[in-house]
Amino acid sequence: DTAVSQTPKYLVTQMGNDKSIKCEQNLGHDTMYWYKQDSKKFLKIMFSYNNKELIINETVPNRFSPKSPDKAHLNLHINSLELGDSAVYFCASSQAPAGGTTEAFFGQGTRLTVV
Amino acid sequence: AQSVAQPEDQVNVAEGNPLTVKCTYSVSGNPYLFWYVQYPNRGLQFLLKYITGDNLVKGSYGFEAEFNKSQTSFHLKKPSALVSDSALYFCAVRRASGTYKYIFGTGTRLKVLA
Repeated sequence: DTAVSQTPKYLVTQMGNDKSIKCEQNLGHDTMYWYKQDSKKFLKIMFSYNNKELIINETVPNRFSPKSPDKAHLNLHINSLELGDSAVYFCASSQAPAGGTTEAFFGQGTRLTVV
Repeated sequence: AQSVAQPEDQVNVAEGNPLTVKCTYSVSGNPYLFWYVQYPNRGLQFLLKYITGDNLVKGSYGFEAEFNKSQTSFHLKKPSALVSDSALYFCAVRRASGTYKYIFGTGTRLKVLA
């Protein structure tokens, strides 16, 4: 039973298109995240939601719009894709009110390639 | 602001030898510290964490890490490396209160040579 699952695993698309990545967690966690891993493997937080409320927005272009329909789901929609958006996007979740001690659980990643 | 430094891009070690992957952190207040491992084309897998208490924490696959508050370090160690330990290792920090952010280091590629 996959704890944090993302779809699709691979996404190849043309510049200017709009695409979405979906994420679901079955761990009962309150908090979900999107991280971006670039070609050098750097991991950078993009967004975090706690119980459907946006709590972290890390100066990400507004072409990126997260949506959390419920606390088990956090989707990422990207408008007008650019070459520089090519990366691996990871969804994660944690049981985290502020000060929570648990680790974050990560999905398998979505490799986005913009051509 | 929180930050994590992993000073080595790559660490090479012979199979059977002890390994150390270094991590130092900067955070205001008490830190929560984590190590993750990433195998090729996979997500991050949790290895171990320091929250409070004993400075030496043990985790999965025989890994352990030592929290050193005065040196603000949290180095990952294993007494005897396996070829299968070869992977990318990330250290992460999170403040104990007031934030939900896990901040990751730049990663260290561990290569265990047979």
